[in-house]
Amino acid sequence: KNEVEQSPQNLTAQEGEFITINCSYSVGISALHWLQQHPGGGIVSLFMLSSGKKKHGRLIATINIQEKHSSLHITASHPRDSAVYICANTGTASKLTFGTGTRLQVTL
Amino acid sequence: GAGVSQSPSNKVTEKGKDVELRCDPISGHTALYWYRQSLGQGLEFLIYFQGNSAPDKSGLPSDRFSAERTGGSVSTLTIQRTQQEDSAVYLCASSLTSDRYEQYFGPGTRLTVT
Repeated sequence: KNEVEQSPQNLTAQEGEFITINCSYSVGISALHWLQQHPGGGIVSLFMLSSGKKKHGRLIATINIQEKHSSLHITASHPRDSAVYICANTGTASKLTFGTGTRLQVTL
Repeated sequence: GAGVSQSPSNKVTEKGKDVELRCDPISGHTALYWYRQSLGQGLEFLIYFQGNSAPDKSGLPSDRFSAERTGGSVSTLTIQRTQQEDSAVYLCASSLTSDRYEQYFGPGTRLTVT
């Protein structure tokens, strides 16, 4: 069974802090997705990766296929980064299996 | 260009009624997905269409749920004899093709069954 676990479930940080959200999964995958959902807002895809590392602005995503683990890092965090971050993967099928999300609150 | 659109944005219905939710994917995207986000339950897969292939219906929670995709574009998710536990946000996503392409999500339809 394809299971996706995220940690932490909730995270509070001060503006400027470096943030890491972790994601572990149980089966081999074809791709790992990081998604962002603002309160009352839609879901935006941040990254899709199957190996190595990707960077977009202050966001960095890494994946270790052997360890079945991915991390999302946010550098120089800002209150506008406050959102729920969701890890999801595509296993043997193309549908996404989602983690439960990490609720991030960045305060001034 | 236009993103994924869904309608209606909100739907309130009485228990036992049928509802239809619509998704317009990004033009040219051959893969279309329906997901559901229930309060306190997280996101779950419902059904997936890829081109002309038979859809993957493995996530549909009961036979009251069905979906179709006409002409490889617009999709309709139908829930018959709605129950209160069907209340959720129903999300549609599309991608260029399956598997290794980013999925683009619509804004969702918030369904409330009273």
